[in-house]
Amino acid sequence: SAVISQKPSRDICQRGTSLTIQCQVDSQVTMMFWYRQQPGQSLTLIATANQGSEATYESGFVIDKFPISRPNLTFSTLTVSNMSPEDSSIYLCSVDRQGRGEAFFGQGTRLTVV
Amino acid sequence: GDSVTQMEGPVTLSEEAFLTINCTYTATGYPSLFWYVQYPGEGLQLLLKATKADDKGSNKGFEATYRKETTSFHLEKGSVQVSDSAVYFCALSWNTGNQFYFGTGTSLTVIP
Repeated sequence: SAVISQKPSRDICQRGTSLTIQCQVDSQVTMMFWYRQQPGQSLTLIATANQGSEATYESGFVIDKFPISRPNLTFSTLTVSNMSPEDSSIYLCSVDRQGRGEAFFGQGTRLTVV
Repeated sequence: GDSVTQMEGPVTLSEEAFLTINCTYTATGYPSLFWYVQYPGEGLQLLLKATKADDKGSNKGFEATYRKETTSFHLEKGSVQVSDSAVYFCALSWNTGNQFYFGTGTSLTVIP
């Protein structure tokens, strides 16, 4: 199975600040996905990140709020900008590492905004 | 659009009880179907999957059968253990590398 390392695992941030979450995969992948899991809710896709192109954002998510970088085929970052308490969630990155249509997830970043 | 609806929780069972968690999907065509499990403090892990109608996915004593007639993929286990306590997510996806659509999750607690 894939090894996906996500940092930080958790953080407590002040409102109005930004946090950058890193996702490192142990092999090259075409697409990386960023999800949000709000307390007690399911996963919602934020955006899909392809190397060498702009990320594709889902309805309700915008680049100014959630800028994404994808500098190579094994790494991506998601930034949560100008945070408010409503951004408190678990953020997860996901890949289909083995090309079998199976999503592998990082451990997630538990973000609390105070 | 595509969506997944799964049984509301939380579910509490005694050890060795039979488990069913219902999942139905809405999609045009026949996507691949999945069950993911999230143990306390951990990330999501693939539990089982089925890629076409009538396929049965199985793992760790859990089973689910892809039923196109009822657009369902119910999760079952004959005898649950305390270690099965987790949140279970039903999901669908269309093809390799594509995004997943998740249900709301069902929390299962198994008591000794």
